[in-house]
Amino acid sequence: EADIYQTPRYLVIGTGKKITLECSQTMGHDKMYWYQQDPGMELHLIHYSYGVNSTEKGDLSSESTVSRIRTEHFPLTLESARPSHTSQYLCASSWGYEQYFGPGTRLTVT
Amino acid sequence: QQQVKQSPQSLIVQKGGISIINCAYENTAFDYFPWYQQFPGKGPALLIAIRPDVSEKKEGRFTISFNKSAKQFSLHIMDSQPGDSATYFCAASIWTNDMRFGAGTRLTVKP
Repeated sequence: EADIYQTPRYLVIGTGKKITLECSQTMGHDKMYWYQQDPGMELHLIHYSYGVNSTEKGDLSSESTVSRIRTEHFPLTLESARPSHTSQYLCASSWGYEQYFGPGTRLTVT
Repeated sequence: QQQVKQSPQSLIVQKGGISIINCAYENTAFDYFPWYQQFPGKGPALLIAIRPDVSEKKEGRFTISFNKSAKQFSLHIMDSQPGDSATYFCAASIWTNDMRFGAGTRLTVKP
């Protein structure tokens, strides 16, 4: 089982608040990813990183930002949460072809 | 533009039956085709994957069939069980870059 962790698992927050979703992996993988997924729907890539100090935007336009200061840590930040940000956020890392996913953070913005 | 098209959107199968989920892709440069299984409240987990140099891969009750000329691949679940009830995603990527996911199939296996 992959060792990739996300916190918090669930978050309900008011509009305008700044939030950071945490993602950590203990496998030493260089590549990490953030996906947005509405319940039971397809995954949309919003950010990815190929290593320390490397970050890129994915296909889905997102108002979030990411950083990669350490190999094992890839946090996602929303400066000002809005109801349209309500979704599930999945973090993943990869080695070779395989991607390993964390359990996700279910974010609700009221 | 969705590069991987998955069908059906939902599937109901009786216990013991065969579940079949299909995917089609457009980019012939894709060289890795995984299937992920996702239970409610969990992240997707890799179930089985295939490279385009083989036409079939079997792991237990799960089989991927791959048709390179038709640009299609499918997941077959033999002897489907209620515990297989989940959402299944096909995906495709070029090496480790930019994995594209299908829209998902919600499978329900009735006891």
